[in-house]
Amino acid sequence: AQSVTQLGSHVSVSEGALVLLRCNYSSSVPPYLFWYVQYPNQGLQLLLKYTTGATLVKGINGFEAEFKKSETSFHLTKPSAHMSDAAEYFCAVTNNNAGNMLTFGGGTRLMVKP
Amino acid sequence: DGGITQSPKYLFRKEGQNVTLSCEQNLNHDAMYWYRQDPGQGLRLIYYSQIVNDFQKGDIAEGYSVSREKKESFPLTVTSAQKNPTAFYLCASSIWGVANYGYTFGSGTRLTVV
Repeated sequence: AQSVTQLGSHVSVSEGALVLLRCNYSSSVPPYLFWYVQYPNQGLQLLLKYTTGATLVKGINGFEAEFKKSETSFHLTKPSAHMSDAAEYFCAVTNNNAGNMLTFGGGTRLMVKP
Repeated sequence: DGGITQSPKYLFRKEGQNVTLSCEQNLNHDAMYWYRQDPGQGLRLIYYSQIVNDFQKGDIAEGYSVSREKKESFPLTVTSAQKNPTAFYLCASSIWGVANYGYTFGSGTRLTVV
């Protein structure tokens, strides 16, 4: 079984401030982890993913995430928020035993204040 | 360019009507998925299909039906039995069995009951 918990359904930051979106997962075997972004009235777009190897993963738009096995976490960060980062962000997990069925977290809506 | 096309983008349904949402992909992906998205409720899986002529119920299949007659196409019918169909519907596809691939999403269809 696998699950994902995203702490904070809404996060608000000021433009230029650090963005930190939290994701914790559970997986009985080594996980593959994903972050997706969804802008209003659009589909989900892949930001980044962790499969194997380097635990710090860089994605599009200046985002990065670090896989921490000991903490079962995959938090998403960006050093400096931009107004265009306002969107909903979803963390997802799968593993080799799940075929490729993704389990999604509940999502975090990021608001960026000017 | 390869991708997933959902149509229409907006759809209005009268009470008691069946409506069909289209999802077409040219990525040569085996697996396709339908999700429903309501405000504050994340993504909920309706149906998925791993191969042609086979599909499985997800978590909220009641009131919905699907078909998978072609690899490229996975239409979703919202029947009159679905009591609260107003929502945003997302289609996705992936390579079945390749866990680290992730999903590719369409741009969604917003269905409103009038």
